[in-house]
Amino acid sequence: EVQLVESGGGLVQPGGSLRLSCTASGFTFSGHWFTWVRQAPGKGLECVANINQDGSEKYYVDSVKGRFTISRDNAKNSLYLQMNSLRVEDTALYYCADPPSNFWGQGTLVTVSS
Amino acid sequence: SYELTQPPSVSVSPGQTARITCSGDALPKKNAYWYQQKSGQAPSLVIYEASERPSGIPERFSGSTSGTVATLTISGAQVEDEADYYCYSADSSGNPWVFGGGTKLTVL
Repeated sequence: EVQLVESGGGLVQPGGSLRLSCTASGFTFSGHWFTWVRQAPGKGLECVANINQDGSEKYYVDSVKGRFTISRDNAKNSLYLQMNSLRVEDTALYYCADPPSNFWGQGTLVTVSS
Repeated sequence: SYELTQPPSVSVSPGQTARITCSGDALPKKNAYWYQQKSGQAPSLVIYEASERPSGIPERFSGSTSGTVATLTISGAQVEDEADYYCYSADSSGNPWVFGGGTKLTVL
């Protein structure tokens, strides 16, 4: 059974940092591109960052460039998102996902508020 | 940056056909994927590679593309199909992948 389990979300003040993690099981993690997808309360889905199979290609939405870093450790079947200089508008549920394969975690909530 | 455009809402009566469109310049070259998201749940794939249906998805769900517009069609929509629907695709270079803004389907 495919499982993606996110962790690391929480409440942080503006300007603060968080590191999200996603642990995968039930499939060959190293064979897939992965994406962090976020959904602000009551809003749509947004691709924040994605990474190719060996980590050599990374793409970011303009609003997080220079602040967020996506990475992966294939030996640990894990995906990460380092989020720095957080803003109120980064508040969202963050999913670890391979959308074309229909692999989704349950999401981890990030709240940026003073 | 690349954008996919969807109507904010579509409303049909039970048994009618619902059509949700997604416009994007690269859709003649890049396949669209469609996701259904019900309240409080993660999204789930209903159409992949423009017109293919994953196992377990009812036959009333179908997808097509004509030029720069991809369409999700639900033939004989049912009350349980009420959800938000998102298209997903890439620009002509293959990245970035983006979601459309989402369409709220109401069946009543």
